[in-house]
Amino acid sequence: DGGITQSPKYLFRKEGQNVTLSCEQNLNHDAMYWYRQDPGQGLRLIYYSQIVNDFQKGDIAEGYSVSREKKESFPLTVTSAQKNPTAFYLCASSVHREGGYTFGSGTRLTVV
Amino acid sequence: AQRVTQPEKLLSVFKGAPVELKCNYSYSGSPELFWYVQYSRQRLQLLLRHISRESIKGFTADLNKGETSFHLKKPFAQEEDSAMYYCALRGSGAGSYQLTFGKGTKLSVIP
Repeated sequence: DGGITQSPKYLFRKEGQNVTLSCEQNLNHDAMYWYRQDPGQGLRLIYYSQIVNDFQKGDIAEGYSVSREKKESFPLTVTSAQKNPTAFYLCASSVHREGGYTFGSGTRLTVV
Repeated sequence: AQRVTQPEKLLSVFKGAPVELKCNYSYSGSPELFWYVQYSRQRLQLLLRHISRESIKGFTADLNKGETSFHLKKPFAQEEDSAMYYCALRGSGAGSYQLTFGKGTKLSVIP
């Protein structure tokens, strides 16, 4: 069953800690993306990757980092430098530039 | 810079009434436009894209380059259409992979 999986579904972090969100896809998609979804803000692009070992900053990359060591995986690290990390994070993938995105089910991160 | 504007945060219509969700964009080239939908407790999913010129679940959208709009329409709203709708744009440059999303419109269909 092909798809894109995000884990965990809920994540709590103490202030000052880094935390990594997982995103795995078995769709053989080349491109992967991370978005942040806040109420009234829509989806804002954090990072994206077109191919393995390459990624680009999106509109709100500050305080985040990513890696793309495998085609299937695109983890996002929310660092302590991110001033307002509490949000819903969405991962997506696509076949190059063709077609639309396939989205994961999201991770809700709460800083406590 | 590319931008997508959805002027309505919330749109409420009665069942059976026509629906129009507005989307305007700003982009200097020839964009590709999409509508995504997020039903309660479900993943964000593609509803339609202008290139396909298809009708999904009774919804249609026509790209109007003159008015830089891509409004989503349905002649008769159903209760199951209640959801969050996002308009999105992809640029036409060679390196343009990412989508720019609007802030979304919540559609509420009143029984």
